[in-house]
This record gives sequence, C-alpha cells and structure tokens, in this order.
Amino acid sequence: KQEVTQIPAALSVPEGENLVLNCSFTDSAIYNLQWFRQDPGKGLTSLLLIQSSQREQTSGRLNASLDKSSGRSTLYIAASQPGDSATYLCAVLDNYGQNFVFGPGTRLSVLP
Amino acid sequence: DGGITQSPKYLFRKEGQNVTLSCEQNLNHDAMYWYRQDPGQGLRLIYYSQIVNDFQKGDIAEGYSVSREKKESFPLTVTSAQKNPTAFYLCASSGGVQPQHFGDGTRLSIL
Repeated sequence: KQEVTQIPAALSVPEGENLVLNCSFTDSAIYNLQWFRQDPGKGLTSLLLIQSSQREQTSGRLNASLDKSSGRSTLYIAASQPGDSATYLCAVLDNYGQNFVFGPGTRLSVLP
Repeated sequence: DGGITQSPKYLFRKEGQNVTLSCEQNLNHDAMYWYRQDPGQGLRLIYYSQIVNDFQKGDIAEGYSVSREKKESFPLTVTSAQKNPTAFYLCASSGGVQPQHFGDGTRLSIL
C-alpha cells in the first residue's frame, strides 16, 4: 500500500530565505505527483503537478522536482514571503489513475 | 468561474442523526472524491466516483454513504454508524489525470 511522508512537519523561517520541503513515497509506480497549498480552514489549491515522465516543474518562485526511482520529491520555494505561510501537502496518483494518496503536510511559517 | 461548491460550511450533528454534505462542480470533471481531514493529518479517502452511477469505497468508507446520480453532484451522507464524525470534509474533482480541484470544505461537529 502506498504511503506518503513529508519532512519536516513544521518549519519556521525569516522572510527572504530559500527553503526546501520534502516528500517521500514508498511505491514508485505512480502516474503523477502533485503539490498543494492549504490555508487554515480552507480547501487545497494545486501548485504544481509533475507527470511521472518529468523531472521537474516550475511556477514563479516554486520549483518541484521528482525522482521516481528513489521515491522522492522536493518543493523549493525561493525568496520566501509571509504570504507563503500555509500547509504544503504532496499527493501521488497511482498508476491506474484513480487514487490519490496524500502526505500529512508541512506547516510553513515565514516571519516578517 | 468554474469550481467546486461545498455546503454547508459548518454542520452540527446530533446523536443518532444522519447528515448530508453537498458537493457540486461545474468543471465538467468525470471523477469526484470525498476526503476526511483530521487535525495534523493528511487527507484520507472516503469514497470516489469515476463516472455517473458508479462509486468505490476508499480507505475509511465505514459509516458513510454517497450517490452519483448526476455528473455535477456527489453528496456525502455521514450516518449514525460513524461514531467519530468530527472532522473537516473536503470534496474534490479531476478531469482524468489533471490536477485535482478542491472545494472549501465542510466542518462537521457533534452537538
């Protein structure tokens, strides 16, 4: 059964720092991996989606990489801002394209 | 604007009562999902549906039921058999293997 973990569970950094969030999954037979942002009491907003054949995706200050063989993905946030404070979750889609499995998330605080 | 609408935002359930959470999407997505989120935890899949009139149990389906009579709608009923229903419930949809889109959630509490 696929399991997804995220490290660290929580992270607090001063504004302007570059930071890396980690996501690991146990079964490399995935269709794609998605990074989400969740603000308190809200739903999830998709940030980046990486297909299994891709190595990375970029959107603005965000860059996500995927190493399927080692079961790892990283989300890199450049020049962090207080508005980046949120919980970041990763999710993998199984090879049948039916089931998303989510990690527990990393709670990020960017201090002004 | 296309999106997913969940209602109500807050819901209270009495002992022995069934309650239904609404989820509507106008994205023309085939697949819809219900997740439960508990504090400090990731999302756990309750039910999902790939097409109209068909749905499958997820990891924690016990005490819940769903229907998919229309493409746009995927209501979730929390039955009295669910002994610990207090949680944040999220509905999502996706068009094939495209990114999932989420609603803003329903917070269910016990009276």
